[in-house]
Amino acid sequence: DVKVTQSSRYLVKRTGEKVFLECVQDMDHENMFWYRQDPGLGLRLIYFSYDVKMKEKGDIPEGYSVSREKKERFSLILESASTNQTSMYLCASSMGLAGSGDTQYFGPGTRLTVL
Amino acid sequence: GEDVEQSLFLSVREGDSSVINCTYTDSSSTYLYWYKQEPGAGLQLLTYIFSNMDMKQDQRLTVLLNKKDKHLSLRIADTQTGDSAIYFCAELPSSGTYKYIFGTGTRLKVLA
Repeated sequence: DVKVTQSSRYLVKRTGEKVFLECVQDMDHENMFWYRQDPGLGLRLIYFSYDVKMKEKGDIPEGYSVSREKKERFSLILESASTNQTSMYLCASSMGLAGSGDTQYFGPGTRLTVL
Repeated sequence: GEDVEQSLFLSVREGDSSVINCTYTDSSSTYLYWYKQEPGAGLQLLTYIFSNMDMKQDQRLTVLLNKKDKHLSLRIADTQTGDSAIYFCAELPSSGTYKYIFGTGTRLKVLA
């Protein structure tokens, strides 16, 4: 079974702090994603990565950056956290092969509160 | 636009069938997915359908795809209280990137 883990389930930070959210997958997947989930808005893509050190902006990259130094790990960084970044953050990975259905596998989520 | 549309809420009685509907955007999308999210958890893949299929059945789940109307539905037979969750449809457009597009989610409430 694919396993995607996220470093924290709940996180409380103060405005202006630098925040790191870590995600690790154990199935050698090529692609990794960061989403945020807000009520009534569904999932919105922040960034994704299709290879080590490669990244592409999603729909809402402002205020975020990412790092993928190793294939299994994808980090989301909030350089200076703001209250409007309070949200549920979901990490996902996918194999990257069309014949497999290209399904995404999700981590349990990190609920971030910025005070 | 790039909105995948779903109704926000659905309430059914235990034992009845549930039908969750979704309208997607890209008629050339290769795959369409249904995910389930239980409270406090991440998304769990329920099933997916390839775009050249009209229907897919998996135990209590039936997925119907109408490409002409860009309409996807998920039918859950004999709905149980454990089916109460948020259900998301998603599409993978054929644009050559991995930008999956998710709907807003439908919250299914099963009444005992």
